[in-house]
Amino acid sequence: EADIYQTPRYLVIGTGKKITLECSQTMGHDKMYWYQQDPGMELHLIHYSYGVNSTEKGDLSSESTVSRIRTEHFPLTLESARPSHTSQYLCASSVGILSYTFGSGTRLTVV
Amino acid sequence: KQEVTQIPAALSVPEGENLVLNCSFTDSAIYNLQWFRQDPGKGLTSLLLIQSSQREQTSGRLNASLDKSSGRSTLYIAASQPGDSATYLCAVGGSQGNLIFGKGTKLSVKP
Repeated sequence: EADIYQTPRYLVIGTGKKITLECSQTMGHDKMYWYQQDPGMELHLIHYSYGVNSTEKGDLSSESTVSRIRTEHFPLTLESARPSHTSQYLCASSVGILSYTFGSGTRLTVV
Repeated sequence: KQEVTQIPAALSVPEGENLVLNCSFTDSAIYNLQWFRQDPGKGLTSLLLIQSSQREQTSGRLNASLDKSSGRSTLYIAASQPGDSATYLCAVGGSQGNLIFGKGTKLSVKP
């Protein structure tokens, strides 16, 4: 049973649209992360948060933004989607630097 | 900059074989190393976590070893089964809790 939930699972959207990918966890984990994964490639960290009101950019530059207003919620927003944003986005949470839990991912296609 | 390499990229074996997946990393200053499993279109499932002070971890038919000084880890799968077919990802963790992933080894176990 998943303790970290991502919605939607799949999304096809037109260029220029604003989208928000949702991520929620019920475990009370302090740290949360967003990773981006292109097919056949490694996961790259694009955003992370140490707790409420904390957000940092990851190793891979991304045009997306995140917010952490509540411990359990870490949404990712693209203000204007482009075909280059087509990818899989995976949300994760952890207790400190241990016990990672990943969501099932959102597969985004921008046409 | 930390880089993680996994060899081989793909592996196909008959059911029942024992197999070894390899992972190497360039910077030995890691806090931990984790092995994950990823099924097609899904998120990641944590298999084993090895702290930097540990040499190995075991869970059922899985055994992971860590040689931090040489920058290597191996995942040993005993008596492989078709249900083990998936992509196996190696990730090294730094002090901030962020993970750096390899591209994975795609394993296919034939009945």
